[in-house]
Amino acid sequence: GNSVTQMEGPVTLSEEAFLTINCTYTATGYPSLFWYVQYPGEGLQLLLKATKADDKGSNKGFEATYRKETTSFHLEKGSVQVSDSAVYFCALSATGAGSYQLTFGKGTKLSVIP
Amino acid sequence: DTAVSQTPKYLVTQMGNDKSIKCEQNLGHDTMYWYKQDSKKFLKIMFSYNNKELIINETVPNRFSPKSPDKAHLNLHINSLELGDSAVYFCASSQATGSSYEQYFGPGTRLTVT
Repeated sequence: GNSVTQMEGPVTLSEEAFLTINCTYTATGYPSLFWYVQYPGEGLQLLLKATKADDKGSNKGFEATYRKETTSFHLEKGSVQVSDSAVYFCALSATGAGSYQLTFGKGTKLSVIP
Repeated sequence: DTAVSQTPKYLVTQMGNDKSIKCEQNLGHDTMYWYKQDSKKFLKIMFSYNNKELIINETVPNRFSPKSPDKAHLNLHINSLELGDSAVYFCASSQATGSSYEQYFGPGTRLTVT
C-alpha cells in the first residue's frame, strides 16, 4: 500500500536558520505530493504541492522538489522565522482507484526560537 | 467566506452521551472527509463521502455514524461516547482537478470526554 515517512520531530531551530524536513514515500504509479502545515490550534493548510516528477512546489519561502528517483519530497526553507513554528505534514494522493484519498506522514513539529 | 467550517469548535461532554459535529463546505467540492487527530498529532481518516455516498469507512467503531444530507454537508454523530474518543476531529473536502486531489480542512472540533 501507499505510505509516507517523515523525519521524527520535534525540530528546534534558531531564527534565520536553514530548514530541511525529510519526506520519502512508497506508492504505485505517479502520485501527487503535498506539504500541509498546521499552526497551533488550527486546521491543516496546504503549503505547497507537486503533481509530477521534477516539479518544484513553492510557497511562503518554502519549497520542495518531487524526486521520483529517490521517492522523496523534502521540505526546505532558507531562513526560518518564529512564525513558521508549526507541525508540518507530508502527504500523497495516489493514482487510479481511491486517488482522492490522501496518505499522511506522522507530522514533524518545528519550533523556531528568537 | 470560510471555505470549510465546523461546529462546535470545542465540545466537552461526559462518557455515555451522544453528540454531533457538523461540517459545511462552500467550495462546491464533491468529496468530504472526517479525520481524527490524536494527542501526538497523528491523522487518521475515518470516513469519506463522494456525492453523498460513503466511499471510505475505515476501521471505526459503529458508534460513529456519518451523515451527508447534501454535497455541501457532512455531519458526524457519535453515540455512547468513551474516554478514548477525546481528540480533535477535522472535516475536509476536495474536488478532483486533473491529477491533484488537494484537500481543504476545517478548523477542527476539540472533543473532550470526561
